Amino acid sequence: QVQLQESGPGLVKPSETLSLTCTVSDYSINSGYYWGWIRQPPGKGLEWIGSLYHSGNTYYNPSLTSRVTISLDTSKNQLSLKLSSVTAADTAVYYCARARGAAYNYMDVWGKGTTVTVSS
Amino acid sequence: EIVLTQSPATLSLSPGERATLSCRASQSVSSYLAWYQQKPGQTPRLLIYDASNRATGIPARFSGSGSGTDFTLTITSLEPEDFAVYYCQQRSNWLYTFGQGTRLEIK
Repeated sequence: QVQLQESGPGLVKPSETLSLTCTVSDYSINSGYYWGWIRQPPGKGLEWIGSLYHSGNTYYNPSLTSRVTISLDTSKNQLSLKLSSVTAADTAVYYCARARGAAYNYMDVWGKGTTVTVSS
Repeated sequence: EIVLTQSPATLSLSPGERATLSCRASQSVSSYLAWYQQKPGQTPRLLIYDASNRATGIPARFSGSGSGTDFTLTITSLEPEDFAVYYCQQRSNWLYTFGQGTRLEIK
């Protein structure tokens, strides 16, 4: 059964770049599906950050697009997230997830999430 | 960008009662609407996809309906483990959005 595991620094300084990795197990990300990142600030709802297909098509939340880069490392079967110029508003639990369906319209597998705090 | 509005924000019910949660889209999303359940400290879990299809392992007391702009998640006969936050989610033009969530609490 496919599993996703997020990893990365739990503390990032303001104005720096947040970098996270999602390792996919028991499924080759080259085989299909969309893979993406979602975040959840403390006590708040879910916010989609962006998604990409193994062929390279990438889509970002318009509110974050100037600061976000999502990419795949197929040799390591990993998905990565980079978010630049972070502020306290970027403090959140960050999840990676797989999107499937006829239009890749729902997310059926999620990682457990990793907490990132932006603070000096 | 399509906005999803969930109502009510909080729903207080007792075990055994029926829960009806609403999700309204600012424009049509066809049937590309999903529902997730999230318990405190846990990862969101897919309940319903394509408006009315239960995900693998989801009990039959959960059902979804609707199309276009108006969708409903119904939980018949609430179990203690059903008290959680529920989110709807859509994908349109390769952008995904979530509703703000409905908190289902024990009365």
